[in-house]
Amino acid sequence: AQSVTQLDSQVPVFEEAPVELRCNYSSSVSVYLFWYVQYPNQGLQLLLKYLSGSTLVESINGFEAEFNKSQTSFHLRKPSVHISDTAEYFCAVSTTGGSYIPTFGRGTSLIVHP
Amino acid sequence: GAVVSQHPSRVICKSGTSVKIECRSLDFQATTMFWYRQFPKQSLMLMATSNEGSKATYEQGVEKDKFLINHASLTLSTLTVTSAHPEDSSFYICSANPAEGGETQYFGPGTRLLVL
Repeated sequence: AQSVTQLDSQVPVFEEAPVELRCNYSSSVSVYLFWYVQYPNQGLQLLLKYLSGSTLVESINGFEAEFNKSQTSFHLRKPSVHISDTAEYFCAVSTTGGSYIPTFGRGTSLIVHP
Repeated sequence: GAVVSQHPSRVICKSGTSVKIECRSLDFQATTMFWYRQFPKQSLMLMATSNEGSKATYEQGVEKDKFLINHASLTLSTLTVTSAHPEDSSFYICSANPAEGGETQYFGPGTRLLVL
């Protein structure tokens, strides 16, 4: 079985500052990794994913995440955040060649202050 | 991109009544859909896996007679909360894997259920 650890339950940051949301996983087999964003009272939206290939993946709104196999991490970064980035962010992992049912981390609340 | 809808977005019902929530994949076929429950400030808890044309697979601790799941077509799954009680109040989210390239789940917008 796999597991996901999001070490920070809440990350406050000022607008235009850089941010990193940490995600570590454990699995005995190869994995797919995902970051989802959830705005208040809404479902989850896929932000970015790592399936294979380049370990650095990017989203259309400036976020990026790097798959680090040796450290079993998939941290999410953005060099300059906006107020509108305030949301809950979930890291998830699923195993390759399986049913693709993801295991979610507990979530990190990103709070961007003006 | 792949779009998943849920209906209703919000429902309030009296204790003891049943509530049906629909999950639809709008632009793709999904042989498998998933139902999650999310408590405030917490992560998603997988309740069951809905398979088109067969019985749903429930996670441990989820009452299958209380949370009835029907996956009647490749684009529709329903979750019926039977004899709802206040403790069933929650945010219910469905997701779906496209039949092709199904390593990514696409989520619906969620349904807020409040049982009085």
